[in-house]
Amino acid sequence: ETGVTQTPRHLVMGMTNKKSLKCEQHLGHNAMYWYKQSAKKPLELMFVYSLEERVENNSVPSRFSPECPNSSHLFLHLHTLQPEDSALYLCASSQATQGPGNTIYFGEGSWLTVV
Amino acid sequence: DQQVKQNSPSLSVQEGRISILNCDYTNSMFDYFLWYKKYPAEGPTFLISISSIKDKNEDGRFTVFLNKSAKHLSLHIVPSQPGDSAVYFCAASQGAQKLVFGQGTRLTINP
Repeated sequence: ETGVTQTPRHLVMGMTNKKSLKCEQHLGHNAMYWYKQSAKKPLELMFVYSLEERVENNSVPSRFSPECPNSSHLFLHLHTLQPEDSALYLCASSQATQGPGNTIYFGEGSWLTVV
Repeated sequence: DQQVKQNSPSLSVQEGRISILNCDYTNSMFDYFLWYKKYPAEGPTFLISISSIKDKNEDGRFTVFLNKSAKHLSLHIVPSQPGDSAVYFCAASQGAQKLVFGQGTRLTINP
């Protein structure tokens, strides 16, 4: 069991659906992340929240909308996705001010299939 | 521009032998390096890290070596076990900035 919990673990949605991925961290961290992993590609950073403020948005299409209501919870709202958005979506957290480096801890991921 | 590269997409090692996974980086300002292990259908798990002030860090069967002049990082696993079969990602960061990940190397341990 990790300190970062993601639900649902598997999601199948149509292109016109609206769904959300949820992430909760129990590590007392103050930074949370969404990553995307597609087949045969490096991990792609999508969004970063630090102290509940979005600090990074890596040119992610607007059909992905993150929400961070508090330092323990992170959502990824999905709307009118495309089949190519099918991937493993990983949530992660870290202690943003931790030194000397930034070790992030991942959840188990949510497998998304867009049909 | 890929700042962290794992040039071997796959590696096959016999059980009990040493596994050596390699990683190269281009940004000389990186000062913190990590290795993650990932099983299929799971998120990456943090394995071991090293600060740029060191050249070696050891944790049980896992040792990470850092060669700053060559901008090269390696992970040694000895002895290799079947449960080590997974995809291994190296990652690097500068200060408290975001991690940059390599593409991953799939390690297979053969009995």
